[in-house]
Amino acid sequence: SQKIEQNSEALNIQEGKTATLTCNYTNYSPAYLQWYRQDPGRGPVFLLLIRENEKEKRKERLKVTFDTTLKQSLFHITASQPADSATYLCAQGSTGRRALTFGSGTRLQVQP
Amino acid sequence: DAGVIQSPRHEVTEMGQEVTLRCKPISGHNSLFWYRQTMMRGLELLIYFNNNVPIDDSGMPEDRFSAKMPNASFSTLKIQPSEPRDSAVYFCASATGQNSYEQYFGPGTRLTVT
Repeated sequence: SQKIEQNSEALNIQEGKTATLTCNYTNYSPAYLQWYRQDPGRGPVFLLLIRENEKEKRKERLKVTFDTTLKQSLFHITASQPADSATYLCAQGSTGRRALTFGSGTRLQVQP
Repeated sequence: DAGVIQSPRHEVTEMGQEVTLRCKPISGHNSLFWYRQTMMRGLELLIYFNNNVPIDDSGMPEDRFSAKMPNASFSTLKIQPSEPRDSAVYFCASATGQNSYEQYFGPGTRLTVT
């Protein structure tokens, strides 16, 4: 079965630096990958979607890449701020099936 | 729009009791999803509906779990009888069902079964 793997260790970085989070998938290539942000006690919030035929997607300080050769997606936050501290979830989906398979998430802590 | 609404926000019940969780999706969304989140297993899909019809219930743990969507604006997830291992945060999410695939999550219901 398809698996989505994220680094379970927390990522600690200094304010102003670029945070890079990794999402790896096994077996077949998903039709698209999504990234969500989750704050404690809240539901996940959608950030970005990238399709398998796209190499890169950007939104303000966020950038997502999709490498089907490495079976990997990278999620970057440039000029990180303490307010970016949260858990970031990667999720994969397939064409025609709207249900998502989520990774376990990576907690990001941005130090002022 | 108020977003996805879930109730109750917190539920504490004793083992063996029936629990009903409720969800109101965003108006106009025709896909609805129920997820469960625990520290051990992360965020798992339980069931999803499209146009009020269950499409995939392979994530429902066992017969103690059931979900219904009687109309486009309401869904329930029922656990009967509840067990301590059902303790988790249950999220409902909705999506437009068109070309966009992003999902909008509710605030979740934290269920504790003692």
